[in-house]
Amino acid sequence: AQSVAQPEDQVNVAEGNPLTVKCTYSVSGNPYLFWYVQYPNRGLQFLLKYITGDNLVKGSYGFEAEFNKSQTSFHLKKPSALVSDSALYFCAVRRSGSARQLTFGSGTQLTVLP
Amino acid sequence: GAGVSQTPSNKVTEKGKYVELRCDPISGHTALYWYRQSLGQGPEFLIYFQGTGAADDSGLPNDRFFAVRPEGSVSTLKIQRTERGDSAVYLCASSGSTNTEAFFGQGTRLTVV
Repeated sequence: AQSVAQPEDQVNVAEGNPLTVKCTYSVSGNPYLFWYVQYPNRGLQFLLKYITGDNLVKGSYGFEAEFNKSQTSFHLKKPSALVSDSALYFCAVRRSGSARQLTFGSGTQLTVLP
Repeated sequence: GAGVSQTPSNKVTEKGKYVELRCDPISGHTALYWYRQSLGQGPEFLIYFQGTGAADDSGLPNDRFFAVRPEGSVSTLKIQRTERGDSAVYLCASSGSTNTEAFFGQGTRLTVV
């Protein structure tokens, strides 16, 4: 079985400050890890992924995430938050190999305050 | 457009009725997924197609739910004898053979009254 935990339902940060949205996971075998963002009444938009290689991955809109195998974490980060980054963020995991369905966390609402 | 298209965007139905939700994936994508997202929760996996066949339907909650993809492109999720607990946003996603990430449509919001 695989699972994802996003321990914070809500994260508030001031515009221009760095932001972190936390994610930990559990999966057998090597993980494929993903971050998606959801704006109101919109579908999920892909931000970034970790498959293999460098532990720090860069994605869309200046976001990055760090894979930490020993801590089974994949935290989302951005050096300088924008008000337009305010949205619902989901972390997801799947096993490498043929099983391609994703398991999502419960989501973290990010609010960037002007 | 080039993205995943889902119709209708909203569907209101009476308890006990039958509904069909349609997904048109990105052209050329062989894998297609259905997820269900209830209010305040992350999406939950329902079923995954590789081509025309259901590779994994372990997420379907019961036998009232069924999905098809007869020609390996468009898929229809079918729900019989709808219940109020079926109310949710149903998301479709697709991915190609070279993609590890899935691309999502905007979803169909189903409300059972």
